[in-house]
Amino acid sequence: EDQVTQSPEALRLQEGESSSLNCSYTVSGLRGLFWYRQDPGKGPEFLFTLYSAGEEKEKERLKATLTKKESFLHITAPKPEDSATYLCAVQASPDTGRRALTFGSGTRLQVQP
Amino acid sequence: DAGVTQSPTHLIKTRGQHVTLRCSPISGHKSVSWYQQVLGQGPQFIFQYYEKEERGRGNFPDRFSARQFPNYSSELNVNALLLGDSALYLCASSRDRGREKLFFGSGTQLSVL
Repeated sequence: EDQVTQSPEALRLQEGESSSLNCSYTVSGLRGLFWYRQDPGKGPEFLFTLYSAGEEKEKERLKATLTKKESFLHITAPKPEDSATYLCAVQASPDTGRRALTFGSGTRLQVQP
Repeated sequence: DAGVTQSPTHLIKTRGQHVTLRCSPISGHKSVSWYQQVLGQGPQFIFQYYEKEERGRGNFPDRFSARQFPNYSSELNVNALLLGDSALYLCASSRDRGREKLFFGSGTQLSVL
């Protein structure tokens, strides 16, 4: 069974204070690892897809990295508008017949001015 | 282009009742997936439909059913509602069955009293 564990559950940062969110996963052959951002009362918004260990992707103040067991979402010099819940999800290899995403419980990030 | 639209946005039902949730995917997207998100948890997969056929089902009881129409819109039906069905129900669309970059709607918040 695919599993995703995110840590910490909640994180409070001061504006400009960089940090990292962790996503540990177990999956039967990784097809893709996904990061989403979710604001209160909204659906998740796609951020990144990573496909293989060593891959990195960046978008503004966010950078996602991937190893064989975990992924990190690095937030550099965050701003209050980065406050949200960040969700990590994995998709198993097509060989498994499982196409749905398995999500973690998310990290609630609060950035204070 | 409009994003994924869901209706209604909020719904209050009592135990034992039936509910129908509706979703319109992004124009050109043929795959629709349904996820349930309980407060404080990540989304959990319920169904995927592609070209009007069920392509995947999560670990949910038979009280949950869905269908996709020729215009690719979709309905999620839940019978004999339980208190534990209270959650945010998310619809996501993608261009085809294999693409996992899901675009989520804002969801339907269902409260069962």
